[in-house]
Amino acid sequence: QKEVEQNSGPLSVPEGAIASLNCTYSDRGSQSFFWYRQYSGKSPELIMSIYSNGDKEDGRFTAQLNKASQYVSLLIRDSQPSDSATYLCAVNKAAGNKLTFGGGTRVLVKP
Amino acid sequence: NAGVTQTPKFQVLKTGQSMTLQCAQDMNHNSMYWYRQDPGMGLRLIYYSASEGTTDKGEVPNGYNVSRLNKREFSLRLESAAPSQTSVYFCASSEGQTITYEQYFGPGTRLTVT
Repeated sequence: QKEVEQNSGPLSVPEGAIASLNCTYSDRGSQSFFWYRQYSGKSPELIMSIYSNGDKEDGRFTAQLNKASQYVSLLIRDSQPSDSATYLCAVNKAAGNKLTFGGGTRVLVKP
Repeated sequence: NAGVTQTPKFQVLKTGQSMTLQCAQDMNHNSMYWYRQDPGMGLRLIYYSASEGTTDKGEVPNGYNVSRLNKREFSLRLESAAPSQTSVYFCASSEGQTITYEQYFGPGTRLTVT
């Protein structure tokens, strides 16, 4: 079992719809969770961080964390073609300041 | 504020050649990291430096060495390049002394070893 797992996609979403991305992790002691967006040929860009159970909203993005079930999700509302990218889930393990990344989910928003 | 900068952007090496990838950050961050990204493998940690004067191995350290030159700079050296080291290399930094551990990435170096 991988430490951080994501569906590789592609997740195809019509413009204006909600894109829902999921990520599961294996280390029950993980404390910090991040979503990065990576456009093709570019570096990862931090878009959301979440540290406690529940929802966290930032603009069109909502991160949801459920530590009991060991998953974190990202919702993108009113999806735009500019949201087409690969979204990486990253998890900080219980000790230390290293992040473990999932393989990423490719999102395609179709006009 | 440039954030995290990396040089060079592109590099082609022949097998056996050596080179150093440079990384600098101007955010006064304590921790710095080197990753490689390969298709289907995601981002993998090569080495990291939790604070100035310390370095530690990550998931894939073989064939690499690092130097934390000062708080701002963290370099990655390939002593004898191999085709398996063809990859995109990213440097990242984080404040590193709080639980948040948000990491910020540089633009990357695309390395090809022939």
